[in-house]
Amino acid sequence: GAVVSQHPSWVICKSGTSVKIECRSLDFQATTMFWYRQFPKQSLMLMATSNEGSKATYEQGVEKDKFLINHASLTLSTLTVTSAHPEDSSFYICSATPLQGSTYGYTFGSGTRLTVV
Amino acid sequence: SQQGEEDPQALSIQEGENATMNCSYKTSINNLQWYRQNSGRGLVHLILIRSNEREKHSGRLRVTLDTSKKSSSLLITASRAADTASYFCGSIQGAQKLVFGQGTRLTINP
Repeated sequence: GAVVSQHPSWVICKSGTSVKIECRSLDFQATTMFWYRQFPKQSLMLMATSNEGSKATYEQGVEKDKFLINHASLTLSTLTVTSAHPEDSSFYICSATPLQGSTYGYTFGSGTRLTVV
Repeated sequence: SQQGEEDPQALSIQEGENATMNCSYKTSINNLQWYRQNSGRGLVHLILIRSNEREKHSGRLRVTLDTSKKSSSLLITASRAADTASYFCGSIQGAQKLVFGQGTRLTINP
């Protein structure tokens, strides 16, 4: 089945530094990937849609200069949290679907727990 | 949430009982999807129901869809301790964006 690998699974960084999270589709090509953020005991909030070879599309209220997304190949999207602050501490999850459109379920990475100290 | 409401927000039942979770959505859909999330993990796709379907089964899962009320329900029969998790319904907005309801935290007590 479709597999999405997300790395790292957890990271601790100091305030002011940047952190990069990778999302890879292992056995399929994904022209589109999605990045979510989840606070404890809350739902997933869609942050942005990552488009291979073009700019990401950000949801309202998400700072594109703070959350840099790069989708340089059909199997890799990266999310970089720039100048991280403690309020950026959260669980970040990516997803992709191996088929065009949305007629089948999406595959999710295992998530990255970011702690900014 | 970006999609709509789910209820209950938390549900605690005894092993062997059935668990029912409800979801409402805001926009027209082509399909509605249910996912499960174990604590601190990613989401796992459970079942997808298309807008022209009213009910769908998969093992111990039963999903219903009422497009006139923009609502869906997920029933888990004969619950097991391993079913303890959060359950989310998701709908597609725009071309492919999958957005979620608030979710239901299900606890199965042995």
